[in-house]
Amino acid sequence: QKEVEQNSGPLSVPEGAIASLNCTYSDRGSQSFFWYRQYSGKSPELIMFIYSNGDKEDGRFTAQLNKASQYVSLLIRDSQPSDSATYLCAVNSDGGGADGLTFGKGTHLIIQP
Amino acid sequence: EPEVTQTPSHQVTQMGQEVILRCVPISNHLYFYWYRQILGQKVEFLVSFYNNEISEKSEIFDDQFSVERPDGSNFTLKIRSTKLEDSAMYFCASSRWVSESTEAFFGQGTRLTVV
Repeated sequence: QKEVEQNSGPLSVPEGAIASLNCTYSDRGSQSFFWYRQYSGKSPELIMFIYSNGDKEDGRFTAQLNKASQYVSLLIRDSQPSDSATYLCAVNSDGGGADGLTFGKGTHLIIQP
Repeated sequence: EPEVTQTPSHQVTQMGQEVILRCVPISNHLYFYWYRQILGQKVEFLVSFYNNEISEKSEIFDDQFSVERPDGSNFTLKIRSTKLEDSAMYFCASSRWVSESTEAFFGQGTRLTVV
């Protein structure tokens, strides 16, 4: 059974600070890792994906992957109130398109003005 | 910007009835998916579809469910004999192969309420 674990939060961060979101996964064969943002009542919106160990940066977002520890994280720099949402970690086992994503329950992030 | 579109946005149906949820994936995408999210719970994979056939399905996707690509643009999910526990948000997604991974983009969802 593939599992993706996230702290449900809420995680409260002051505006302008760095928000750090964490995720662990059980399937050691997992290939690709995704972070989605989901506002209440809305659909998941893709923020970033990563498939190699290390860091990947895109604007204010940095994804970090450590396959040995089965751990993936998302850093949000200069947090804005509009970043307040639930952040979903998702994992793909084969890296290809045929496999569906396994999602965690999400971390509820609150950015305090 | 291209997007996945789903209709209807909200569907109310009586228990035991059949429903069809419709999706138009992004035009140059090759992989199509259905996911569901029961209120307050995590997003769950139902089925993936490629080259006009099912690629993978989860334990949730039993004989009650079927998918079809009836023409070059639409992708549908049929739920036969709906049950109360089928009430959820159903998301369609599509993706294309990008480097060593695929990026799946989600539609806005159909909220299904079974009464």
